[in-house]
Amino acid sequence: AQSVTQLDSQVPVFEEAPVELRCNYSSSVSVYLFWYVQYPNQGLQLLLKYLSGSTLVKGINGFEAEFNKSQTSFHLRKPSVHISDTAEYFCAVSEAGGGNKLTFGTGTQLKVEL
Amino acid sequence: DGGITQSPKYLFRKEGQNVTLSCEQNLNHDAMYWYRQDPGQGLRLIYYSQIVNDFQKGDIAEGYSVSREKKESFPLTVTSAQKNPTAFYLCASKWVRGDTEAFFGQGTRLTVV
Repeated sequence: AQSVTQLDSQVPVFEEAPVELRCNYSSSVSVYLFWYVQYPNQGLQLLLKYLSGSTLVKGINGFEAEFNKSQTSFHLRKPSVHISDTAEYFCAVSEAGGGNKLTFGTGTQLKVEL
Repeated sequence: DGGITQSPKYLFRKEGQNVTLSCEQNLNHDAMYWYRQDPGQGLRLIYYSQIVNDFQKGDIAEGYSVSREKKESFPLTVTSAQKNPTAFYLCASKWVRGDTEAFFGQGTRLTVV
């Protein structure tokens, strides 16, 4: 069965500083990986996704993530954050070639401070 | 505009009552999902459906029921058997292929009073 671990429940960071949000997954087969962002009392929006090919994927709002198969990780990064990046971020996994179950991590609350 | 519509945005229910949350999509997606979100627990899958008239239990299906009579609609009923129904409920839809992303509604916040 697939699973996702987001080790950091909260990450405080100052504006214009870099940030990394960590995500590790577990699966016995190949996977597709996603990062979503959620603003308060709203649904989730896709930031970026890894399907295959280049391990570095770029998304919206200046975010990028790197797929590392050996470490089963898909960490999200941004070189310089803005106040408007304050939100909750979710990592998700679905297994290639099998079903449509999309499994989410517990989320990381990113708080950007002045 | 294409998208997913959840209604109502806020819902209050008395203990012992059943309540139905609406989810409609006009994206022509085959698969639809219901998630429950609680602080610190992320999104937990309640039910999902990949085709009309068929659905599967997710990780926390007890106390919930669904139907999928139309491709566009996937209503969720929170029954009186659900012991702790107060939560934020999210509906999503996607193409059946695993490499496609899910699109989410704006959510329904259910409060039991």
